[in-house]
Amino acid sequence: GAVVSQHPSRVICKSGTSVKIECRSLDFQATTMFWYRQFPKQSLMLMATSNEGSKATYEQGVEKDKFLINHASLTLSTLTVTSAHPEDSSFYICSATIGTNEKLFFGSGTQLSVL
Amino acid sequence: DAKTTQPPSMDCAEGRAANLPCNHSTISGNEYVYWYRQIHSQGPQYIIHGLKNNETNEMASLIITEDRKSSTLILPHATLRDTAVYYCIVRPLTGKLIFGQGTELSVKP
Repeated sequence: GAVVSQHPSRVICKSGTSVKIECRSLDFQATTMFWYRQFPKQSLMLMATSNEGSKATYEQGVEKDKFLINHASLTLSTLTVTSAHPEDSSFYICSATIGTNEKLFFGSGTQLSVL
Repeated sequence: DAKTTQPPSMDCAEGRAANLPCNHSTISGNEYVYWYRQIHSQGPQYIIHGLKNNETNEMASLIITEDRKSSTLILPHATLRDTAVYYCIVRPLTGKLIFGQGTELSVKP
């Protein structure tokens, strides 16, 4: 299947710093990418939908100024967690759609730990 | 909100078929049934999807009832590597993928 690469796989940072997570579609052009977060023992929660060249659409309750999403090209979307705090520690996962939007493929996730 | 209901956990013996049920009684005519699975600390993996006909691929079979209110994912010969959380999701083709709680499948030797 299509490959979605996510980097880094794990990051530890100090409280107050910003962290950028990259999501790339390696062998296809992704017009739409989605960002999820997952707390331990919980399901995935959709944070935002990102379309190439336009502003992301955030789900209710997700702070757009805290979680900056940029989708500047058809193969790259980034999520920046600004001024991270310990409560932002979570597993962040991106996904991308291919072609007719019929299937979503997921990255391997980024485990963020804020100290 | 998730529009599916799945049992929280199931066990299956290695080598046997694993049958994972899903109820989606409020499914709309344009919504597909998708199955994904997530192995611990990894991103979800696409398994299969269908609209109303039964589907089969190299990973699994999807059986959808005639009224489309429920479905079953079948892993024909479960292995230990199939231990994961399995998510049943209904979604129109251009819609968001909203995850419910899923079924935690444990394949035991």
